[in-house]
Amino acid sequence: ETGVTQTPRHLVMGMTNKKSLKCEQHLGHNAMYWYKQSAKKPLELMFVYNFKEQTENNSVPSRFSPECPNSSHLFLHLHTLQPEDSALYLCASSSPASGRGSNTQYFGPGTRLTVL
Amino acid sequence: AQTVTQSQPEMSVQEAETVTLSCTYDTSESDYYLFWYKQPPSRQMILVIRQEAYKQQNATENRFSVNFQKAAKSFSLKISDSQLGDAAMYFCAYTYSGAGSYQLTFGKGTKLSVIP
Repeated sequence: ETGVTQTPRHLVMGMTNKKSLKCEQHLGHNAMYWYKQSAKKPLELMFVYNFKEQTENNSVPSRFSPECPNSSHLFLHLHTLQPEDSALYLCASSSPASGRGSNTQYFGPGTRLTVL
Repeated sequence: AQTVTQSQPEMSVQEAETVTLSCTYDTSESDYYLFWYKQPPSRQMILVIRQEAYKQQNATENRFSVNFQKAAKSFSLKISDSQLGDAAMYFCAYTYSGAGSYQLTFGKGTKLSVIP
């Protein structure tokens, strides 16, 4: 499955570091998403971008800063994170504007983040 | 608010046998989509099957089929001829199909083990 790629696959960072996660989709979709997956919790939607515009921000702390320069690329900039931010971060894409059946989200492989 | 419930945290099945994973959901909408996603140890979230609520016919994808009971708000996944590669977390998910809808609501998942 290479429709949605994420880099890096693993990241270890200290609480004072600044790092970025990258997501790229090759499916021609116009919407992209960031999810957080923590142990024993359902997936949490963090941000949604549609045609490069942010349409949802689910009360995510400001230490997470998304950026969507175009419909194919999505970044998540991280700074001064806390240990409880350690999780799997998943990117997804879809084309909700393309008619029936297009709400299907396709996911990348995720970035496993560990905050020390 | 929509909710998705998977009441079986863990299940196991003998290789080549059939297993059914349960999912119930709550919504006031009449037009929506339901999904089953598979997340193997590699952590990639893979779409298994999709059901559109307005279609009465149950979706099938090779060895995977669903039993969609709209009135009961039930959406179970049947895996036939189970294989070792089917071992994974399985997530049931819901999304409203209306314009501007992006939210995917996930259940907490069912961990499926396949016994050789």
